[in-house]
Amino acid sequence: SQQGEEDPQALSIQEGENATMNCSYKTSINNLQWYRQNSGRGLVHLILIRSNEREKHSGRLRVTLDTSKKSSSLLITASRAADTASYFCATDGSYKLIFGSGTRLLVRP
Amino acid sequence: SQTIHQWPATLVQPVGSPLSLECTVEGTSNPNLYWYRQAAGRGLQLLFYSVGIGQISSEVPQNLSASRPQDRQFILSSKKLLLSDSGFYLCAWSADTGQSNQPQHFGDGTRLSIL
Repeated sequence: SQQGEEDPQALSIQEGENATMNCSYKTSINNLQWYRQNSGRGLVHLILIRSNEREKHSGRLRVTLDTSKKSSSLLITASRAADTASYFCATDGSYKLIFGSGTRLLVRP
Repeated sequence: SQTIHQWPATLVQPVGSPLSLECTVEGTSNPNLYWYRQAAGRGLQLLFYSVGIGQISSEVPQNLSASRPQDRQFILSSKKLLLSDSGFYLCAWSADTGQSNQPQHFGDGTRLSIL
């Protein structure tokens, strides 16, 4: 069953703009993770935020978590063409992660 | 440092033929191992996961099976492929800490086309 659902499904922005992707989930979590996937490649872990954290930063990435709304957002600031990829949120289950369907981000040069 | 190898990168197989995809991890011991399938433009579907040698959990009843003959080797198999088995197969590992908050590290995937 799918736990996280990303929104929007696709996003096209100009280089230099910020990109915001949202993730909603259904059941209680211990943590939420964001991953990136370049076309035809495996996923790369970006950031993990625990259920007792509200915000976390890593370079140009900012992740927020609102457990009362069961939602998270990923903000990429000052986007670059190289940020073009699909982004997935994943919520934890026992020994496994449940991935959403992803947001396809296109950053136009 | 830890690395994960998955092969082959692409595979074209006829319907009804067998399948064997292999994944190996280096630089870590007793990892949790995972097989996913991804349809074009979609999210990941967990197929199997393993927390130890010989321990396989199946998430989706289907035409596939998995085995873990060695600590860092995970194999995905089928005796007879179906057209619906086409897709992008990804292997991943995570550290075994007994907690659910470990990042997963993915191989580069195998694109399987069934003709």
